[in-house]
Amino acid sequence: DAGVIQSPRHEVTEMGQEVTLRCKPISGHNSLFWYRQTMMRGLELLIYFNNNVPIDDSGMPEDRFSAKMPNASFSTLKIQPSEPRDSAVYFCASKTGGETQYFGPGTRLLVL
Amino acid sequence: KNEVEQSPQNLTAQEGEFITINCSYSVGISALHWLQQHPGGGIVSLFMLSSGKKKHGRLIATINIQEKHSSLHITASHPRDSAVYICAVRNSGGSNYKLTFGKGTLLTVNP
Repeated sequence: DAGVIQSPRHEVTEMGQEVTLRCKPISGHNSLFWYRQTMMRGLELLIYFNNNVPIDDSGMPEDRFSAKMPNASFSTLKIQPSEPRDSAVYFCASKTGGETQYFGPGTRLLVL
Repeated sequence: KNEVEQSPQNLTAQEGEFITINCSYSVGISALHWLQQHPGGGIVSLFMLSSGKKKHGRLIATINIQEKHSSLHITASHPRDSAVYICAVRNSGGSNYKLTFGKGTLLTVNP
């Protein structure tokens, strides 16, 4: 299997622009997570989907952030409008019913 | 909310040395994970523990539930072990998916 796929790997944008991050989970995995990693706060859960349904979005920082999972093989995380403090590495992870989460390579976002 | 503390924050070792990274948490847990993040950024799950000890190659992970403490040991360390090691816990009585992460320990192994 190809593992979790994320795109783009790097994104540089200007403040106020819309940013869309994409994730393809491992086939057959029914749980999907979006995380944000910063030096100050480490890894933080933004949103969790199970069977394509958002179960926990309590980590989404504010209304500028939204996430969708239209089908079992695709999810997006959108930031609109972006701000410099959104600069971070964003990870997508997926899993089956077991404990182990499989992480994608991450998207490194820089908002100028 | 569980507080997960890792020590040390940074660790530099010479090739061949025995390495120990520690993780303490404040609230009872159902599971503890050790993850490895290489300089390229990818995160890989190394171990999941709920009790006792697990070994995989040169890596050994232990957990003491009563003391709320886990250690990750690396024997005969090698430069390719250089990475950030992250401890994460799943609270007991909480959700069956949510992990709380430590800030990580940056390990550098010099040849």
